[in-house]
Order: sequence, then C-alpha cells, then structure tokens
Amino acid sequence: GQSLEQPSEVTAVEGAIVQINCTYQTSGFYGLSWYQQHDGGAPTFLSYNALDGLEETGRFSSFLSRSDSYGYLLLQELQMKDSASYFCALQGNSGYALNFGKGTSLLVTP
Amino acid sequence: NAGVMQNPRHLVRRRGQEARLRCSPMKGHSHVYWYRQLPEEGLKFMVYLQKENIIDESGMPKERFSAEFPKEGPSILRIQQVVRGDSAAYFCASSPGEADTQYFGPGTRLTVL
Repeated sequence: GQSLEQPSEVTAVEGAIVQINCTYQTSGFYGLSWYQQHDGGAPTFLSYNALDGLEETGRFSSFLSRSDSYGYLLLQELQMKDSASYFCALQGNSGYALNFGKGTSLLVTP
Repeated sequence: NAGVMQNPRHLVRRRGQEARLRCSPMKGHSHVYWYRQLPEEGLKFMVYLQKENIIDESGMPKERFSAEFPKEGPSILRIQQVVRGDSAAYFCASSPGEADTQYFGPGTRLTVL
C-alpha cells in the first residue's frame, strides 16, 4: 500500500515563505499532486510533479525527489487568503486513484 | 466551461434510508472518481468509473454502496440503508483521461440522523 506523512499544522506570517513537506512510502506511482481546500470546500488543484525537480506556478512551487521519497509545496508572498488545508496526494500507477495525506492546516497571520 | 457539479450539496437521511449523490463531470471529461472525507481527515478514494464501466472499486465498502456512470446523465453514488458512520462529505472528481489531473466538485455533505 501507500502512506503519506505531512505536518498537521503550520503557521506563517503574511508576506513570508512557507514550505509544507510530504514524505511517502509506496512501491510505485505516477506523480505527486498538491491540492488546497478551504473550510471543507472543493479541493483545488495546485501543482503536480511526475518527474524529480521543481515545478513553478505563480506563487506556488512544488518539488519531488523520488530517491528520497519526499516532496514539498512552497508558497511565496503569503496572503491571508492562503490560510487553508493543503494535501499531498500520490497518483497510483494502476487505477489512477489519488491517495491523499491527512493534510496540513496553514494559518497565515498578519 | 462549467466545473464539476454535484447535487445535492447537503443531504439529510435517517438511519435505514437510501442516499443518492449525483455528479456531472466537466465538459469533455469521461473519467469520474468518488472520494469520501471525514472531519479533519484527508480524502479517501472510493471508486473510479468511465462511461458505463467501473474501472476500480477497491475503496468501496463491500456492502450497501454502489456507483454507476451511465451513457447518458450524471454519475450516481448510491448508499443503501445508511448508518451514522456514513455521515461525511462525498466529493466527485473528473479528468479528461486516465492519469490526468483530477478536478473536484463542491461535494455533498451527508448527515445521517
């Protein structure tokens, strides 16, 4: 099976940079995705890494290292609206279902 | 282009009743996934469907739960004889093809009294 670990809570100041880590155990996968969820609303796709390295999309970047079974989401120039839960998810290589971590609750303070 | 649509947004059922949750994928998407989320938890995969076919139901409970995605109309997740433990948010996602990015709907919040 697969398992993912991410910190349960992170607090950061508006305008700062924050990194949310995700470590995983799996026998194989297509890629690692990141989703944002506000107050139990629809999870919103943020970023995807199929290959090792950094993917940049505006203020959000995501990184994957398959050899280290590790990835992270980097949020720059934090805004109050970034306060939300962030989930890493592995996409399996059979069936393509997403296996989610338990999520990291990010609180951005003034 | 409308996003993934789910209805109802909120559903209240008494124990023993049936719950039907509907999901209309994004236009051009033929792959549908259902996930369940308990409070303070991540989303748990339930079932993956393409038109008229169940591709992967490894996350679906063996009893009382079923899903379909007919040739015409929305995908339906059906829960028979609901119990209090079925209370959760049920999210549907769609993608244009297998292994593509999945886009989520707003979810249906099921409360079983």
